[in-house]
Amino acid sequence: GESVGLHLPTLSVQEGDNSIINCAYSNSASDYFIWYKQESGKGPQFIIDIRSNMDKRQGQRVTVLLNKTVKHLSLQIAATQPGDSAVYFCAEHPYFGNEKLTFGTGTRLTIIP
Amino acid sequence: DGGITQSPKYLFRKEGQNVTLSCEQNLNHDAMYWYRQDPGQGLRLIYYSQIVNDFQKGDIAEGYSVSREKKESFPLTVTSAQKNPTAFYLCASSITGGNGYTFGSGTRLTVV
Repeated sequence: GESVGLHLPTLSVQEGDNSIINCAYSNSASDYFIWYKQESGKGPQFIIDIRSNMDKRQGQRVTVLLNKTVKHLSLQIAATQPGDSAVYFCAEHPYFGNEKLTFGTGTRLTIIP
Repeated sequence: DGGITQSPKYLFRKEGQNVTLSCEQNLNHDAMYWYRQDPGQGLRLIYYSQIVNDFQKGDIAEGYSVSREKKESFPLTVTSAQKNPTAFYLCASSITGGNGYTFGSGTRLTVV
């Protein structure tokens, strides 16, 4: 993943379009991955997770894709809405039983009305 | 409702003073964490605790201290040794077993 301390990459998407946010993770032994959404001035909120024995998981308007070969995680948001504007973080779990997550730098998503 | 509560939401501190940020959870989570977030940046781990009366330094522990006397509580003290304490502080908790973190709503600390 990206080094912490770097400024956030940004992504702007037209309302109603689909968005894809990407994340490169660092540890090939990580077995659990999470996407969080953080709105301005608030704490991060859980969106969706995926275990390493899966390559795709769908939620309501969100899909997470996992490519273990290249250590890549993506979050797809369908039919974006203004309320989707936020910072999105990926997090990886080194191995089952170790609760300390490693967070990616985050991506700021802006939905254009 | 179960949750994790941080207080206060906004905090102002004069240079040279220590200040303590509160974090309380009623989720029965064993592990608790403190993160610092600077504007436009990601999360950096300050301290974490996986069990009562035990805690470990994270990546940026200098100038901070914590205690974990109760399972529900994990206060963070920002000491005068922290050279640049103005930031957004996030507390989180988790169960044993890897189900991710529950975050509080954060405390914004400003040094004046």
